[in-house]
Amino acid sequence: DIQMTQSPSTLSASVGDRVTITCRASQSISSWLAWYQLKPGKAPKLLIYKASSLESGVPSRFSGSGSGTEFTLTISSLQPDDFATYYCQHYNSYSGTFGQGTKLEIK
Amino acid sequence: EVQLVQSGAEVKKPGESLKISCRGSGYNFTIYWIGWARQMPGKGLEWMGIIYPGDSDTRYSPSFQGQVTISADKSISTAYLQWSSLKASDTAMYYCAKTDLSGSYFFDNWGQGTLVTVSS
Repeated sequence: DIQMTQSPSTLSASVGDRVTITCRASQSISSWLAWYQLKPGKAPKLLIYKASSLESGVPSRFSGSGSGTEFTLTISSLQPDDFATYYCQHYNSYSGTFGQGTKLEIK
Repeated sequence: EVQLVQSGAEVKKPGESLKISCRGSGYNFTIYWIGWARQMPGKGLEWMGIIYPGDSDTRYSPSFQGQVTISADKSISTAYLQWSSLKASDTAMYYCAKTDLSGSYFFDNWGQGTLVTVSS
């Protein structure tokens, strides 16, 4: 099974900061990677798919990059609404392994 | 507008059975895979499995194979997740989500979640 490892587990940042979350796959997954945002009491939200494609309606301050085994989610200028937990996910027709999550906290 | 509406919170005892639901609207339910994910208290998301409502083709994570049953009734645009004998360790939030139509299997729309509490 492919394992997905996110880092850091927790990230403290301030409004306006640029932040990057990393996701590493235990073997090459091409670009089959998505990023989601989770907030308590709300439905999870798709941000990025196919490693770098921005989902419709998602602010352009979110971007994704990478291929193979290393991927990043970058938020260019943090907004108050961005403090949440972020998950990467490798997906294919038979599995959908999530990373362990990164909690983005207000510094 | 695409919506996935899940059934309400459940409180059950160990050994009881349970079936929770996820009703899709605003899109052709038959032709998009629907998946389920678990989030145990204080933990991350876990992919449980997916089902294609058109023909009920179902794929499970090895971690959940034999532990739960995923099904769908395309006539009422509803997917289900069921347990025959709940354990305390099944206490979690469960989310349903639909995939994109492009042939990829990421989840582009999610339900609001169903909280299942199993306690004696």
